[in-house]
Amino acid sequence: AQSVTQPDIHITVSEGASLELRCNYSYGATPYLFWYVQSPGQGLQLLLKYFSGDTLVQGIKGFEAEFKRSQSSFNLRKPSVHWSDAAEYFCAVGAGSGYSTLTFGKGTMLLVSP
Amino acid sequence: DAGITQSPRHKVTETGTPVTLRCHQTENHRYMYWYRQDPGHGLRLIHYSYGVKDTDKGEVSDGYSVSRSKTEDFLLTLESATSSQTSVYFCAIARVNGRAGTNNEQFFGPGTRLTVL
Repeated sequence: AQSVTQPDIHITVSEGASLELRCNYSYGATPYLFWYVQSPGQGLQLLLKYFSGDTLVQGIKGFEAEFKRSQSSFNLRKPSVHWSDAAEYFCAVGAGSGYSTLTFGKGTMLLVSP
Repeated sequence: DAGITQSPRHKVTETGTPVTLRCHQTENHRYMYWYRQDPGHGLRLIHYSYGVKDTDKGEVSDGYSVSRSKTEDFLLTLESATSSQTSVYFCAIARVNGRAGTNNEQFFGPGTRLTVL
């Protein structure tokens, strides 16, 4: 069975500082990996995805993530955080082939300080 | 925007009453999902559908049933609501990647906040 761990429940970052949110997954074959963002009271918005190819993927809003198979990780990064990035972030894993469901991590809440 | 709407957006009900939540999509997607979101638990899959009248259970299906009589609508029913079903419910659709043969790219509706007193 697939699983996702987001080790940090909350992270506080100063505005303008860099950000890295951690995600570790467990899946026996090639995974399909996602990051979603959820602003308060809103639904989830897809930030970026990795399926194959270049292990560094670019997403919307200036985010990027790097897939590291050897570490079973898919960490999300942003070089300079803006106050509007304050939200909850979810990592998810799905099967890299065939039709299946996604498994989500429990989320990391990002707080941005002035 | 994947053309997903959910109704109602907010509902307060009493323990023991039946409740039906509706998810409607306009893009003719085959795969649809119902999740619940609770603090500290992230999103957990309740049920999903892979076509009209084709549904399957997810991780937390007890106390819930679903129906899909047409492509655009996926209904979630709480037969007899309990306080433990107080949650935010999200519907999602999956865009199929025909080249890759996967269905994992999901897009979410705005959610329904359900309170069971």
